[in-house]
Amino acid sequence: GDSVTQTEGLVTLTEGLPVMLNCTYQSTYSPFLFWYVQHLNEAPKLLLKSFTDNKRPEHQGFHATLHKSSSSFHLQKSSAQLSDSALYYCALSFQGGSAKLIFGEGTKLTVSS
Amino acid sequence: AQTIHQWPVAEIKAVGSPLSLGCTIKGKSSPNLYWYWQATGGTLQQLFYSITVGQVESVVQLNLSASRPKDDQFILSTEKLLLSHSGFYLCAWSPLGENTLYFGAGTRLSVL
Repeated sequence: GDSVTQTEGLVTLTEGLPVMLNCTYQSTYSPFLFWYVQHLNEAPKLLLKSFTDNKRPEHQGFHATLHKSSSSFHLQKSSAQLSDSALYYCALSFQGGSAKLIFGEGTKLTVSS
Repeated sequence: AQTIHQWPVAEIKAVGSPLSLGCTIKGKSSPNLYWYWQATGGTLQQLFYSITVGQVESVVQLNLSASRPKDDQFILSTEKLLLSHSGFYLCAWSPLGENTLYFGAGTRLSVL
């Protein structure tokens, strides 16, 4: 079946170090991949969405590349900031406006000074 | 611009009591609507979705029900709350034909 796997439940970094959060997926059809970010006591917000033309989406210094060969959509940032501390969810959906969106288990990122 | 409003912001309810949570989307016609639930420290679990008025599909059975009485309104309810219903309830919408979800601010429910 279709699924999303985030292998790290918790990532702890020092400010200024690079960020990489892993996301791999299994999908029957060609999917769209998303990263959502949820700060404490807030609702999740869209951070990034994969493009159909293989462009690399970027937002707030974060970027992710969809690699179909390895079924991955890892989230990266060159330099972590304290304000990046949050829950990050990778999610998968399908073309055509399907109502099915599958979330991974989430990765809690904690950035300290 | 589209706005999504959830109510109430928070609820404290007794086990066995009824519950009704609501969600309204303004500025977008015929959106797909969703209910998600998040246990404390847990992931996002899709409960229901609706692609049109009067039609609701259940994804997970949690002794909850949902209805879409109007194009812009989505209601989550139960007649008898369980302790396990505690958590964060999120309404979300996506534009017709698209797959990006936009979440409301959520309702935090404590069942005692």
